[in-house]
Amino acid sequence: DTEVTQTPKHLVMGMTNKKSLKCEQHMGHRAMYWYKQKAKKPPELMFVYSYEKLSINESVPSRFSPECPNSSLLNLHLHALQPEDSALYLCASRADRAMNTEAFFGQGTRLTVV
Amino acid sequence: RKEVEQDPGPFNVPEGATVAFNCTYSNSASQSFFWYRQDCRKEPKLLMSVYSSGNEDGRFTAQLNRASQYISLLIRDSKLSDSATYLCVVIGDYKLSFGAGTTVTVRA
Repeated sequence: DTEVTQTPKHLVMGMTNKKSLKCEQHMGHRAMYWYKQKAKKPPELMFVYSYEKLSINESVPSRFSPECPNSSLLNLHLHALQPEDSALYLCASRADRAMNTEAFFGQGTRLTVV
Repeated sequence: RKEVEQDPGPFNVPEGATVAFNCTYSNSASQSFFWYRQDCRKEPKLLMSVYSSGNEDGRFTAQLNRASQYISLLIRDSKLSDSATYLCVVIGDYKLSFGAGTTVTVRA
């Protein structure tokens, strides 16, 4: 199983809503990532978790709150988002952030903030 | 200076043509290198890793030049299905850094 599963695939939310994005992998990977991708741009790193601990936060606004409940699961909690936060949110995992191994990406959640 | 700079294209080539493009990186301590393919509105998928000695996977050839800090991708005998955005990814300091992507369109 080399799959990273993200839910939901699509999400429309108002600026006052609270929602969560979920990412799951069962490859035993210990590094998990959240990326944000706008149209025609490359993915931008948001957060890195290593062994369930947050190791990198790329100065992401606090309206995005990551959580890693266990080694297979990564959540991204959303609150009071702005329309400019509309994007494709990608989760990725790697065996270990210190190893020279590739990243596997989920299919992404396409988020629209209205 | 961006960590990873990539030739954006677009490259518009006929079927059967050869197309090649590069990606440069700024961190000389970068450890590993990959090419990903991303189709419109889909997630990036690994195309191939890039090894120091260069490597080939079917019609795709990747090269790494550590001295000049660039990687390259060459596609031979282009197919319509090769139309996509190709992203170079460089790993260093535990982060994956993406190039901006090279758009390739193969026409019949």
